[in-house]
Amino acid sequence: QQQVKQSPQSLIVQKGGISIINCAYENTAFDYFPWYQQFPGKGPALLIAIRPDVSEKKEGRFTISFNKSAKQFSLHIMDSQPGDSATYFCAASGGTASKLTFGTGTRLQVTL
Amino acid sequence: GAGVSQSPSNKVTEKGKDVELRCDPISGHTALYWYRQSLGQGLEFLIYFQGNSAPDKSGLPSDRFSAERTGGSVSTLTIQRTQQEDSAVYLCASSLVRVRGKEKLFFGSGTQLSVL
Repeated sequence: QQQVKQSPQSLIVQKGGISIINCAYENTAFDYFPWYQQFPGKGPALLIAIRPDVSEKKEGRFTISFNKSAKQFSLHIMDSQPGDSATYFCAASGGTASKLTFGTGTRLQVTL
Repeated sequence: GAGVSQSPSNKVTEKGKDVELRCDPISGHTALYWYRQSLGQGLEFLIYFQGNSAPDKSGLPSDRFSAERTGGSVSTLTIQRTQQEDSAVYLCASSLVRVRGKEKLFFGSGTQLSVL
C-alpha cells in the first residue's frame, strides 16, 4: 500500500513539446504529492508539490494534475527545453506513512 | 555551508570491507535522512534523524547498516562487510521539519559506492 508506481521509465520529447509523467498510488491516506528533479551527478531537488484539495497546480512551465478518485497524479512540462533533461521522481506521503515514498523515476530527454 | 555536503563522492571497496559515508547537513536543519538510489530504482529510505529523538531505522536493509548523527549535525552511515548488492548511490538529505513527510528535502550530491 506504500508503493508509488511511476511511468514511463524513460521519455524522449522534442524541444517545444509537452512532457507527461504519470504516477499512481494505493494508499488513500496519502495527502502530499511532490515531484523532485535530478540532474546527473546531483541530488534530487524539489520541483513542485500538490495537496489533494486542488486538482491542479501550475508553476511556470510545470503543472501537476491530480485525480483523487483515480489515485493518480501527473507532471506536465510545457514547452519542454533541453535544460529540462533530467530524471523526475514523484513521491507521496500522508497518514501513517510519515516519510516520503518515491516512485522509480523517469529519465526525460529533450531533443533539439 | 550553502548546501548538503557528502563525502566521499565516490568510493570503491572490496567485498567484505567496511565503509563509512559522511553527510554534513545544512546548518540549522534539524532533520536528516539517508536514502539509497540503485540503478533503475527509486529512492529507498534508510534512516531518519530528528533532533534528539530516537532515529527511525525502519528502512535499514540489514544489521550490516548503521548510522549515527553527532551533535545534531554531521551524520555517518556505516556499512559493514560490504556486499556487491550494496553498490548504489547513497544520498543524504536535510530539512527544517514542520510536518514530517511534508517538508522540503535538500539533497546532497551523493556518494557512489561500488563494491567489487
